[in-house]
Amino acid sequence: KAGVTQTPRYLIKTRGQQVTLSCSPISGHRSVSWYQQTPGQGLQFLFEYFSETQRNKGNFPGRFSGRQFSNSRSEMNVSTLELGDSALYLCASSLEASGIGYEQYFGPGTRLTVT
Amino acid sequence: GEDVEQSLFLSVREGDSSVINCTYTDSSSTYLYWYKQEPGAGLQLLTYIFSNMDMKQDQRLTVLLNKKDKHLSLRIADTQTGDSAIYFCAERANNQGGKLIFGQGTELSVKP
Repeated sequence: KAGVTQTPRYLIKTRGQQVTLSCSPISGHRSVSWYQQTPGQGLQFLFEYFSETQRNKGNFPGRFSGRQFSNSRSEMNVSTLELGDSALYLCASSLEASGIGYEQYFGPGTRLTVT
Repeated sequence: GEDVEQSLFLSVREGDSSVINCTYTDSSSTYLYWYKQEPGAGLQLLTYIFSNMDMKQDQRLTVLLNKKDKHLSLRIADTQTGDSAIYFCAERANNQGGKLIFGQGTELSVKP
């Protein structure tokens, strides 16, 4: 079974631009979560989607948004990019959003650099 | 509140056992996880333990949970140079869906 895939793997953007990152979960997985990883703040939860609905949201400004499609693929969008948005963005998928044996599998991440 | 703490560095000799420690604060945590991250890569799920368990063993990995002290540890037996990586502890609270709270990560260095 293929793992979680994220595209693109690397991205360079300029301050003020917007960016869209994509995540394809493991086949059959319906829940997708997004995390931001930076050297200073570590790994922080952005949001979680299950069956096209946002189930949970972290403490990030409204410039960060996401969505999930009917095939469980997910996108996250960051508008009006700031230098501090430079980070590794990780997507994780799981079979379902709750229940026993909740295992989250991570993709390789998208490295976003804002200049 | 939600907080997970780990020591930042650990250095061991090849063949020794490594013990990585973690403390958490959320008493409603149901699952506690260990992830491994190698340079330039995503997170690899190593193992997890349900909060009603004390111990879980999986090949070279042993997880111990002291729920009273909110202390979790990961023991790697016969540590190899390929085990050099950053190890993250994470908790999932009962009412938080898929949200994981991660520690800062422990950088494990294995010397030959």
